[in-house]
Formats: sequence, C-alpha cells, structure tokens
Amino acid sequence: ELKVEQNPLFLSMQEGKNYTIYCNYSTTSDRLYWYRQDPGKSLESLFVLLSNGAVKQEGRLMASLDTKARLSTLHITAAVHDLSATYFCAVTPRDDKIIFGKGTRLHILP
Amino acid sequence: NAGVTQTPKFRILKIGQSMTLQCTQDMNHNYMYWYRQDPGMGLKLIYYSVGAGITDKGEVPNGYNVSRSTTEDFPLRLELAAPSQTSVYFCASRAAAGGPFFGPGTRLTVL
Repeated sequence: ELKVEQNPLFLSMQEGKNYTIYCNYSTTSDRLYWYRQDPGKSLESLFVLLSNGAVKQEGRLMASLDTKARLSTLHITAAVHDLSATYFCAVTPRDDKIIFGKGTRLHILP
Repeated sequence: NAGVTQTPKFRILKIGQSMTLQCTQDMNHNYMYWYRQDPGMGLKLIYYSVGAGITDKGEVPNGYNVSRSTTEDFPLRLELAAPSQTSVYFCASRAAAGGPFFGPGTRLTVL
C-alpha cells in the first residue's frame, strides 16, 4: 500500500526566511505533484515532476524529485505572507491512482 | 473552456437519503478522480477512472458508487447517506502526461 508522508505538518515561520517541506513515499512512482490550497478553496497545481532529478521553480518556490530516495522537496526562499497556505504533495503509483499526503499547513508571520 | 465543473456547490442531506454529485470536464481528459476532504485533513481517493467505461476503487470507496459512460462525465453516487460522509468532495481530471485539474468542490452535510 502506497504511503505518502509530509513533514512538517505545521510550520510557522517569519517573513524573509527559507524553509523546506519534505515529501516521502513508500513505493515506486512515475510522477509527483505539488499543490497549494487556500482555506475554503480548491487545489491549485504548482508543479508536476516527471523524472529523477527534476527541478522546477516558480517565484519563491522550488520543487525537486529524487526517485531513488523516494523523496521530493518544496523549498521556500525568502518567504512572504502571501505564501501562507496548505501545501500537498501527491504521487502516482503504476496503477494510475493519485495518492495525497496529509498536507503541510504553512503560516508566515509578517 | 470551463475546466472541471461540479454541481451542486452545497447540499444538506438527511441520514438515509441518496444523491448524485455531478462532475464534468471539457478538456477531453481520460483520467478522472473523486476525492473527499474532511475538515483540516488531506484528500482521500474514493474512485477513479482511466477512460470511459472503466472505473476502479480508491482508498475509501465504501458507501459510494461511480459510473463513466462518457469521457466528459464522472458522477459520484451516495446511497444511504451517513453522518460520516459529511465532507467536501473534489472531482479532478488529467491528461496522460499532466497533473490533475481540480473542480471547485461540493460541500456536503449529512444530518
């Protein structure tokens, strides 16, 4: 059974600081996704990582994938308040399901 | 291009009632998914489909049924609603190489 673990689950940080969210998964996966969810809203796609060593960046967010370690990271550079949200990673095992982690609730203090 | 649409947006059901949550996508995606999200929690996969006529169970399928007669539509049926099915339900679709696009969600309360 595929397990997707994110840590930390809660993170409170100061504006201007850097931090990394980790996503570990238990079985082989073809791809990995990162999403953002604001309170009361739907999920917004941030990154789709399709291969080992993939790195993608958008603004202050950068995601990477290491399929051998079964690990993805979402790095936040010089955090700003607007990045406060819940961030989810999700993986696709070979049977086309998409399984989500529990999410990381990020609160950025001004 | 409307993307993924879900109806209704909100619904209150009484215990034992049944209902169908509608999901339609206009992107010609083969893959479609139904998730539920309980308050403060992650998303749990209920059912998914890899194409018209093909459906399969996810992590939490009990109490639900789905059908996929067309590429565009993927309705989720709740039979004999129970308070444990109070949740926000999200439908999503994706192309073969991309990530899933999510609909706006249906907030369901069972009293």
